[in-house]
Amino acid sequence: NAGVTQTPKFRVLKTGQSMTLLCAQDMNHEYMYWYRQDPGMGLRLIHYSVGEGTTAKGEVPDGYNVSRLKKQNFLLGLESAAPSQTSVYFCASSYKRQENYEQYFGPGTRLTVT
Amino acid sequence: SQQGEEDPQALSIQEGENATMNCSYKTSINNLQWYRQNSGRGLVHLILIRSNEREKHSGRLRVTLDTSKKSSSLLITASRAADTASYFCATDLGTGRRALTFGSGTRLQVQP
Repeated sequence: NAGVTQTPKFRVLKTGQSMTLLCAQDMNHEYMYWYRQDPGMGLRLIHYSVGEGTTAKGEVPDGYNVSRLKKQNFLLGLESAAPSQTSVYFCASSYKRQENYEQYFGPGTRLTVT
Repeated sequence: SQQGEEDPQALSIQEGENATMNCSYKTSINNLQWYRQNSGRGLVHLILIRSNEREKHSGRLRVTLDTSKKSSSLLITASRAADTASYFCATDLGTGRRALTFGSGTRLQVQP
């Protein structure tokens, strides 16, 4: 199993440009998450999904949109990138069935907005 | 604001020594988890402790949870250079959102 994969690994955008980050998991997990990690701040939840076709906002959703058209994929979109969105983005997934669960993380996407 | 706050922010020890990291949180939790992040990599789950548990072991890891003080500690015994990483605590509030709230992490450096 590949686990959780993220595409691309690195990207540089100019202010105002758009892009989509792709997350894929092959563990048949119901739940998927997008986080951003900034220096000294740990991870903050952007959006999450509890199943195919459903999404919900996390702590810092402004400026981002998401879609979960297939169970194995979770897309994060930036419609008009801003320098404040320079960060490392992590996707994660987890099972639904267990009462307590762990999250499985992808390797991250390093995004720089100039 | 962060639900979890780790202490210390950075820790440097010699190989073979024990490393202790602490995490404090603000609201009631369903469980608390510890993750490790190697430089430039994603997070890896280490251990989960439920709110009704006080102590849990996994190999060289020992986690304690004190819900009355809203705090947890992670002890790594007989540390190795390969333990060099950042360690994060994460809390599950049990609200049904099924998402974790992460602290800002402790950077551990183990000198060979």
